[in-house]
Amino acid sequence: EDQVTQSPEALRLQEGESSSLNCSYTVSGLRGLFWYRQDPGKGPEFLFTLYSAGEEKEKERLKATLTKKESFLHITAPKPEDSATYLCAVRDSGTYKYIFGTGTRLKVLA
Amino acid sequence: DSGVTQTPKHLITATGQRVTLRCSPRSGDLSVYWYQQSLDQGLQFLIQYYNGEERAKGNILERFSAQQFPDLHSELNLSSLELGDSALYFCASSSGTGYNEQFFGPGTRLTVL
Repeated sequence: EDQVTQSPEALRLQEGESSSLNCSYTVSGLRGLFWYRQDPGKGPEFLFTLYSAGEEKEKERLKATLTKKESFLHITAPKPEDSATYLCAVRDSGTYKYIFGTGTRLKVLA
Repeated sequence: DSGVTQTPKHLITATGQRVTLRCSPRSGDLSVYWYQQSLDQGLQFLIQYYNGEERAKGNILERFSAQQFPDLHSELNLSSLELGDSALYFCASSSGTGYNEQFFGPGTRLTVL
């Protein structure tokens, strides 16, 4: 069964304290792994799409990487405005379904 | 602002009733997606339409149905509502068939009493 697991569920960091969020997935055929950021009460906001193992993408303090079984979202020197829930999703190549993880709630303290 | 609009913002109704949620995609986007987000289940993919045709189906209940109209707006119909249907319903749109970024609307909060 297709599955996406994110860890940790919640993470508290001091401003400037770098860390990584993990997304492990099980899918019959991967057609894209997506990272989104969601603020409370709002719709998710797109961050990255990764398509193949070894691929990396960067945006400001965020860097996403992909292996055959998992993806990491690295946050370098985070700021309080990076506080949000980060969601990972995969798209199954056979069914075209999207499967989302339950997210990592990140809190960055000033 | 993502450019995706959803109406209404809030909806309160009773069990057994039927409601319709509406979504207008970003200008030029051909794909529309519907998601349900509840506290205990996270974000669940319901269905995708591309240029009026159903493209992918997720965990959408038989009591729920959707369609995309020629002007590309979409409606999600929820019938025989149950307490457990209370959730945030998001619509998203993308330009292609689904491999590119999705832009999410602000959501419709449905409360079933």
